[in-house]
Amino acid sequence: KDQVFQPSTVASSEGAVVEIFCNHSVSNAYNFFWYLHFPGCAPRLLVKGSKPSQQGRYNMTYERFSSSLLILQVREADAAVYYCACSSGTYKYIFGTGTRLKVLA
Amino acid sequence: DARVTQTPRHKVTEMGQEVTMRCQPILGHNTVFWYRQTMMQGLELLAYFRNRAPLDDSGMPKDRFSAEMPDATLATLKIQPSEPRDSAVYFCASGLVRGTGANVLTFGAGSRLTVL
Repeated sequence: KDQVFQPSTVASSEGAVVEIFCNHSVSNAYNFFWYLHFPGCAPRLLVKGSKPSQQGRYNMTYERFSSSLLILQVREADAAVYYCACSSGTYKYIFGTGTRLKVLA
Repeated sequence: DARVTQTPRHKVTEMGQEVTMRCQPILGHNTVFWYRQTMMQGLELLAYFRNRAPLDDSGMPKDRFSAEMPDATLATLKIQPSEPRDSAVYFCASGLVRGTGANVLTFGAGSRLTVL
């Protein structure tokens, strides 16, 4: 079954670097996508690719079946749900269960 | 910025009633997805369309859920009859997907459904 796995919760201190890990069992998937979601809003893309990528404070690592999102200099405002997704060649985009980031003062 | 528009934003209904959620994808996008967000499953793929044709709706309970794209500017997700376990946030997303798997999906803000 095509699935994406990620931890349910991650906690970090302000100013630290936090890592959220993701792996998948999706057939023919070569790309990872990391989305940020605040309740009541549309999930929005942070970073994507089939190789390590960076967008501002967001770094994405890449292996064939796993990826990590690293958030640099974590802020209280980063507390949200982060979704990892993979896409297969059949136009299907599979998302994980989401990781809730808790930021400790 | 181009947006995916979903209506209604909130819906409260009683068990057994029909519910229809609507989505206006971004103009020019060829692929539309419906996801259901729950605590246990995260963003669960229900169905998706490419060029208005259904590609896969295996994630949907077939007996009560149906998804259609009557035209390129409208996608609908219907639940009939609704049940309390259908309570969730339903997201629509669209993208210009070319099969390389590298294209980005743009999400709407979701429709929060509560079935009493």
